[in-house]
Amino acid sequence: GAGVSQSPSNKVTEKGKDVELRCDPISGHTALYWYRQRLGQGLEFLIYFQGNSAPDKSGLPSDRFSAERTGESVSTLTIQRTQQEDSAVYLCASSPASGVYNEQFFGPGTRLTVL
Amino acid sequence: DAKTTQPPSMDCAEGRAANLPCNHSTISGNEYVYWYRQIHSQGPQYIIHGLKNNETNEMASLIITEDRKSSTLILPHATLRDTAVYYCIVRVYSGNTGKLIFGQGTTLQVKP
Repeated sequence: GAGVSQSPSNKVTEKGKDVELRCDPISGHTALYWYRQRLGQGLEFLIYFQGNSAPDKSGLPSDRFSAERTGESVSTLTIQRTQQEDSAVYLCASSPASGVYNEQFFGPGTRLTVL
Repeated sequence: DAKTTQPPSMDCAEGRAANLPCNHSTISGNEYVYWYRQIHSQGPQYIIHGLKNNETNEMASLIITEDRKSSTLILPHATLRDTAVYYCIVRVYSGNTGKLIFGQGTTLQVKP
């Protein structure tokens, strides 16, 4: 079946512009995660959605970052007034639920370059 | 979540077993050990997880020491396609959060 999809695959923007990154999780997966991976680094957790519960935003690095999720489907990560340090691959993952037994399925990521 | 320590890199000959170690000396009783890997330019892929018993699936085996302070991921017959960064993650499920905390991982290079 279809996996997690993300769009765009690549995004180049100028410093100060806003960007929106999209994630389509696997159908039926109630949990959705956003991570960031800077060049040569491990993944950093950003935000997590689980059903109708309040999202865990503890990983968002600043108030320029926000994310929304429509029900249990698509999610959008928005970065306002982009800075060069925002350049990274942004990865989305979904899982059937948030329980410890459930693996996370990752999308291919969106590579963001801020000039 | 407990911190993990992994060697930054390892080599393995194609067809041989790859044994990737992970130290998690501060692990607590309700924390699981997870392994993910990330092949170049792709998102991470789940491999296996365990609590205290050894686990095996179609991809790998996970050996956890009796005191649970370390573990080893074993790829029984490594292929060139197993070249990737391997992440050992210790995770507790608490409340509403299922986030994974990734370290730097081990870069495994499988050589012909």
